[in-house]
Amino acid sequence: GAVVSQHPSRVICKSGTSVKIECRSLDFQATTMFWYRQFPKKSLMLMATSNEGSKATYEQGVEKDKFLINHASLTLSTLTVTSAHPEDSSFYICSASPKVLATSYNEQFFGPGTRLTVL
Amino acid sequence: EDKVVQSPLSLVVHEGDTVTLNCSYEVTNFRSLLWYKQEKKAPTFLFMLTSSGIEKKSGRLSSILDKKELFSILNITATQTGDSAIYLCAVFYRDDKIIFGKGTRLHILP
Repeated sequence: GAVVSQHPSRVICKSGTSVKIECRSLDFQATTMFWYRQFPKKSLMLMATSNEGSKATYEQGVEKDKFLINHASLTLSTLTVTSAHPEDSSFYICSASPKVLATSYNEQFFGPGTRLTVL
Repeated sequence: EDKVVQSPLSLVVHEGDTVTLNCSYEVTNFRSLLWYKQEKKAPTFLFMLTSSGIEKKSGRLSSILDKKELFSILNITATQTGDSAIYLCAVFYRDDKIIFGKGTRLHILP
């Protein structure tokens, strides 16, 4: 149980184009979804948190107009990288939680990641 | 089926105790195994292991990988209440895929 999928698993695009990455919870309803970016030293940077039906909360330093997040249903969240540049090349990972975000740590189920390469 | 299994799912110990967390995996074309500590939202990177038998150490935390038996352990000695967290194990495999385990929820009693 608690499976999260991402699509596509790998995408290569030209600079200036937009790329959409989907994150789906396959067997549970994800009230909260998280988007991360993984850096070469394997640290995970939280980009934003989204609750179904409301606007995403972006972490400091993350451009909301560049990284558009939509959490339209309880099983789907999308991350759109707009006007992609080579420095956006990275490994993007989503996670989903069946719980409304509380003050402490919650269970998060992670997707398999999407490798974005911008030429 | 590729998978990462962590055990135990949860653990409650007293401050000062030593704990050992387990992560076993079955994947195609293993590349590396990572340990994270999750407290608030974003998991914090602890270790990356690629070679068998070489212990990685950071303060009271240490970890080792056994590529023959396909598992890793994370040890925490002299535990403190601040060690309470969810500890995640993740495995990179094939070209560029990652699987996270379900995590071990560790609670340290004062």
